[in-house]
Formats: sequence, structure tokens, C-alpha cells
Amino acid sequence: EADIYQTPRYLVIGTGKKITLECSQTMGHDKMYWYQQDPGMELHLIHYSYGVNSTEKGDLSSESTVSRIRTEHFPLTLESARPSHTSQYLCASSGGGTLNTEAFFGQGTRLTVV
Amino acid sequence: QQQVKQSPQSLIVQKGGISIINCAYENTAFDYFPWYQQFPGKGPALLIAIRPDVSEKKEGRFTISFNKSAKQFSLHIMDSQPGDSATYFCAASNPDKLIFGTGTRLQVFP
Repeated sequence: EADIYQTPRYLVIGTGKKITLECSQTMGHDKMYWYQQDPGMELHLIHYSYGVNSTEKGDLSSESTVSRIRTEHFPLTLESARPSHTSQYLCASSGGGTLNTEAFFGQGTRLTVV
Repeated sequence: QQQVKQSPQSLIVQKGGISIINCAYENTAFDYFPWYQQFPGKGPALLIAIRPDVSEKKEGRFTISFNKSAKQFSLHIMDSQPGDSATYFCAASNPDKLIFGTGTRLQVFP
């Protein structure tokens, strides 16, 4: 069982609200990722981090922001939620230094903006 | 631009049959090629992975075939079972990112 946790699992929120999706891992992994998953299937990388104080934008443009103040914590924030932000958000982490290894995923947060 | 192309989008196989999913990539800097399995309501989980210095890797009923010159790799599921019904993602990784294919929804009927 992977030690990576996302909260909340489900969130329904009104347009214009600020939200933070939490992601924590206890494996000491340096690399962490946020993916947005379409209702169909596709996983789009929206943010990633190599370690503390490192954040990068992924391939899919997103209005969200992330921070990495602690190794184990990688929260994602939307300053003003819109219906177009409705999606599933998946957090993942991986270790191995410069050698790519298995990425472990959380269970996801299903966000609905009404 | 889709960096990792996956096909087919959906696949229906009879129990005991072979399921084959194909992927192609563009970036020669990718050096790790995992396959993930996702069940409804769950995050993806690693199924099997390969590095470009080998052409094939087998774990139980699951085999990855890798063709470096063609920049293609595929997943073969032998003796497919109803419990294999899930969405499968290929992925490719370089030191910077882990990029996923578009996914294949596999249904195995008894």
C-alpha cells in the first residue's frame, strides 16, 4: 500500500471560492507530481517538483499553483474556482534520485465547481 | 503535442485471450517506460516497467516488448481474466517528468 494521501476525496464548491487540495507522502520521495484526469481517462501533468522549494509547470496549462515547503507536502491551490476546473486531481511521488523509479499515486480528489 | 501515443482507446477480449496495447514515444531522452493499471475510483498503480537497455520484460502474465529504434513499446496480457478489466496507461519518463499515454479501457468477458 502506497503511503501517499490526498484530501479531500470529494469536494463540491461554488464558483469564485479559493480551494487547496492537500497531498502528503511519508516515503521521503523527492519528486512529486500533480495530474489532472479527464472524465474519459487521460492524465495530464500540470505541476511537478524535484524537491523542497522546487516547482515546475507541466505540459497542461493550469490556473492552479503549487508549493513545496516540506518534502512530504505538495498542496495545490486554486485562487478562484470555476466550473472549468471540475475534474479529478491525482497526486503522485517517486524516489530514486536521478534514476526514474515507480511513481505512487494517491486516490485522487474529485472536484466539482458549481 | 502528445508525447506518448497509445492505442487502442478501448479493447474487448474474451477470457483466456491475449490483450495487446501499443505505445509510441517521440522524445529519445525518455529512459524509463512503465505501465500503470487503474481501477475505478483508485489512483493508477504500477504494473510493470522497462528500461531501454532491454527488449523484453516478463512478470507473470504481463510482458513488455520494447523497440528502441522504432520508439515503440507494448504490453501483452496473456490468459486475460475478468479481474484484468481496468484502464491501462503507458508512460515515459526522463529525469524531469513522467508523461502518460491516453489510456486503454480493457474489458475481459467470461
